[in-house]
Amino acid sequence: EPEVTQTPSHQVTQMGQEVILRCVPISNHLYFYWYRQILGQKVEFLVSFYNNEISEKSEIFDDQFSVERPDGSNFTLKIRSTKLEDSAMYFCASRNPQGSGQPQHFGDGTRLSIL
Amino acid sequence: AQKVTQAQTEISVVEKEDVTLDCVYETRDTTYYLFWYKQPPSGELVFLIRRNSFDEQNEISGRYSWNFQKSTSSFNFTITASQVVDSAVYFCALRRSKAAGNKLTFGGGTRVLVKP
Repeated sequence: EPEVTQTPSHQVTQMGQEVILRCVPISNHLYFYWYRQILGQKVEFLVSFYNNEISEKSEIFDDQFSVERPDGSNFTLKIRSTKLEDSAMYFCASRNPQGSGQPQHFGDGTRLSIL
Repeated sequence: AQKVTQAQTEISVVEKEDVTLDCVYETRDTTYYLFWYKQPPSGELVFLIRRNSFDEQNEISGRYSWNFQKSTSSFNFTITASQVVDSAVYFCALRRSKAAGNKLTFGGGTRVLVKP
């Protein structure tokens, strides 16, 4: 069964450094998402992306964050200058465009640790 | 605004007991979707079920069953004859059916611990 794949599984970065989290969505999916989960807390929406542009973003997704689909297969989340509070599990998800009820399928996540 | 509440933060049962997870949601939309996801200790999020707001039929899949009641804005999940492998955090989520990004709004999750 097709899967959403995320790399790396764990990223350790110094505060203030840039980090790029990578995702390969399921191939025929056209809606893409990033969510984050701070340890022990609920999953929070960051951003959704469709037709090469952001369709919705949350208050968390400030100017330090950006997303890109550089080559038609990868979907990346960049944090420009990381803060300690960015430490979390980041999940990428994708959804089939056929019918609005299709579920989002999630990758295994990237655990981001900011030192 | 959308909101999902899972009042039970943790439930502990002994294997073979049934366990019911509560989910209550708030939305002003008349059409929407509800989901349950499982997050095992390994951390990934696994899709379990989707329910349309206009379909109140209950659903059973093996040992899992779901009870959707629009009148009380609830979408409860029951695991029958629980097994140790059911130990996980379970999230209920809500999605608008007509919105640009169709984001998921998650509840806080319920941790289920099944003891042998």
